[in-house]
Amino acid sequence: TQLLEQSPQFLSIQEGENLTVYCNSSSVFSSLQWYRQEPGEGPVLLVTVVTGGEVKKLKRLTFQFGDARKDSSLHITAAQPGDTGLYLCAGAPRGNQAGTALIFGKGTTLSVSS
Amino acid sequence: NAGVTQTPKFQVLKTGQSMTLQCAQDMNHNSMYWYRQDPGMGLRLIYYSASEGTTDKGEVPNGYNVSRLNKREFSLRLESAAPSQTSVYFCASSEVAGPGANVLTFGAGSRLTVL
Repeated sequence: TQLLEQSPQFLSIQEGENLTVYCNSSSVFSSLQWYRQEPGEGPVLLVTVVTGGEVKKLKRLTFQFGDARKDSSLHITAAQPGDTGLYLCAGAPRGNQAGTALIFGKGTTLSVSS
Repeated sequence: NAGVTQTPKFQVLKTGQSMTLQCAQDMNHNSMYWYRQDPGMGLRLIYYSASEGTTDKGEVPNGYNVSRLNKREFSLRLESAAPSQTSVYFCASSEVAGPGANVLTFGAGSRLTVL
């Protein structure tokens, strides 16, 4: 069974601080996705990383896929209250085809106070 | 707006009652999924349908049945609800957008309470 371990589970920081969320597995994934979920809503895709070592930036968010495609990180620079939410990583098993279900981590709840 | 629509948004049931959660997508996606989300447990897959006419069990299928009515619609049925099925249920759909990139579009969720 492939598992994705996310850490930390909870993070409470002040506006302007930096933070990193980690997503680790002992299994190789063909791709990894990060989603953000706000209360009362479904998760929304932030980014997909496909190539080992890949780095993608989305404004103040930086996503990295590990060289071995077993882990990923999300770094937020100068966090703002609008970044508050649940962050989920999800991995596509190697050999993923249409309809193969993603494996989700348990999520990181981020709270940014002003 | 294009997307995934779930109904109902809220439902309260008594133990032993049955109900069906409805899901429809208008993005012409082939694959559809039902997940449940519980505190501290993340998203767990109940059932999925890789394409019209097929369904497969996920991680937590017990107590649930599904029907892929057509390409647009995928319903989840609880035949005899139990308190352990109190949860938020999410429907999602996907189309492979590239090598290994199975991007999910989620509905807004259905909050179910079983008393």
